Amino acid sequence: AAGVIQSPRHLIKEKRETATLKCYPIPRHDTVYWYQQGPGQDPQFLISFYEKMQSDKGSIPDRFSAQQFSDYHSELNMSSLELGDSALYFCASSPPGGSKQFFGPGTRLTVL
Amino acid sequence: AQTVTQSQPEMSVQEAETVTLSCTYDTSESDYYLFWYKQPPSRQMILVIRQEAYKQQNATENRFSVNFQKAAKSFSLKISDSQLGDAAMYFCASSSFGNEKLTFGTGTRLTIIP
Repeated sequence: AAGVIQSPRHLIKEKRETATLKCYPIPRHDTVYWYQQGPGQDPQFLISFYEKMQSDKGSIPDRFSAQQFSDYHSELNMSSLELGDSALYFCASSPPGGSKQFFGPGTRLTVL
Repeated sequence: AQTVTQSQPEMSVQEAETVTLSCTYDTSESDYYLFWYKQPPSRQMILVIRQEAYKQQNATENRFSVNFQKAAKSFSLKISDSQLGDAAMYFCASSSFGNEKLTFGTGTRLTIIP
């Protein structure tokens, strides 16, 4: 069965640089979620999209932005990167009317 | 707002034995969902089991079952016949009906002793 695809899987950036994380949901899933998991922490909700519209926003810094495109893939754009942005970033998707979220493998971002 | 509390940072169990992981939650919503996710060393987040709050019957998935006590706001996970592959961090999580963002607990690290 198809799963959520995230790219890249690993990313190393310098402070103050920009990063773009991509997420390809499971086909026919209409909702995408982004989570940030810092070292030794639980995942924290950042933002979600339903049918290409932002549906909810969590503790996402103003330096971050995201969008969902017409093909339902989503991108998380992160600017002016800080050391504290080093984390595992998960994308998850859910089907229409579904409460189950299926997670991608995550993108490990390291900021040096 | 929802909060999820896992009071056991670490648990261990002998292989083939049964272990129960605890979780309590708080929510003002009348309709909500509860989940257990497993995160093995690969860091992949894997859905183990889901419970719909309006259902009184406890969810079961093979060796995994929950004890859902709505009045006590308790949602524990029982793993029967523990296997080495069950070793992982287990996160309890909740979401609201109509707003399915997940709120996670701090996790319980489960070790399986051969």
